[in-house]
Amino acid sequence: DAGVTQSPTHLIKTRGQQVTLRCSPISGHKSVSWYQQVLGQGPQFIFQYYEKEERGRGNFPDRFSARQFPNYSSELNVNALLLGDSALYLCASSLGGSYYNSPLHFGNGTRLTVT
Amino acid sequence: LAKTTQPISMDSYEGQEVNITCSHNNIATNDYITWYQQFPSQGPRFIIQGYKTKVTNEVASLFIPADRKSSTLSLPRVSLSDTAVYYCLVGDHDNYGQNFVFGPGTRLSVLP
Repeated sequence: DAGVTQSPTHLIKTRGQQVTLRCSPISGHKSVSWYQQVLGQGPQFIFQYYEKEERGRGNFPDRFSARQFPNYSSELNVNALLLGDSALYLCASSLGGSYYNSPLHFGNGTRLTVT
Repeated sequence: LAKTTQPISMDSYEGQEVNITCSHNNIATNDYITWYQQFPSQGPRFIIQGYKTKVTNEVASLFIPADRKSSTLSLPRVSLSDTAVYYCLVGDHDNYGQNFVFGPGTRLSVLP
């Protein structure tokens, strides 16, 4: 089975622009989470979606938004990019629901550089 | 949110057993303890998960004392390829999934 896939793998944007990152979860996984990882730090939780509804939100500004589609894939949108948004953006999927302790499976991320 | 504390870095030599201990004094009754491994420019990879006592799989063992306020990840006979950052995570989840709070992790360096 394919793992979690993210696209694009790398992206360069200019301050003020908008970006959309995409994630396809493992087949059968209904929960998708997004994390931001700045160099040298652990991943920071941004959003979690389950069955197309937002179930959790981390301490990120409203410039960050996300959604989950009927096929459980997900998009993360970031508006009005700042230099500080430069990071590795990770998507993780899990079974979710009654399998709430099922481990997270991460993709290899999208490296976003804001200039 | 259950907070975890683990050493920032550790060094070891090939073939040795490595034990990384994580403290989680505020662990909740329903929380599980999960460890992840991360290589540069890759997403974290699940290693092992446990609730109490000892769990073993093909790559590691996880020891959890009765009070569950700490846990120890044991990597037998490490190799150079085990050089990575290791994260200890506890909770935070609800009926929809897990929203982990990652700390800085432990940077393990395996030397030849």
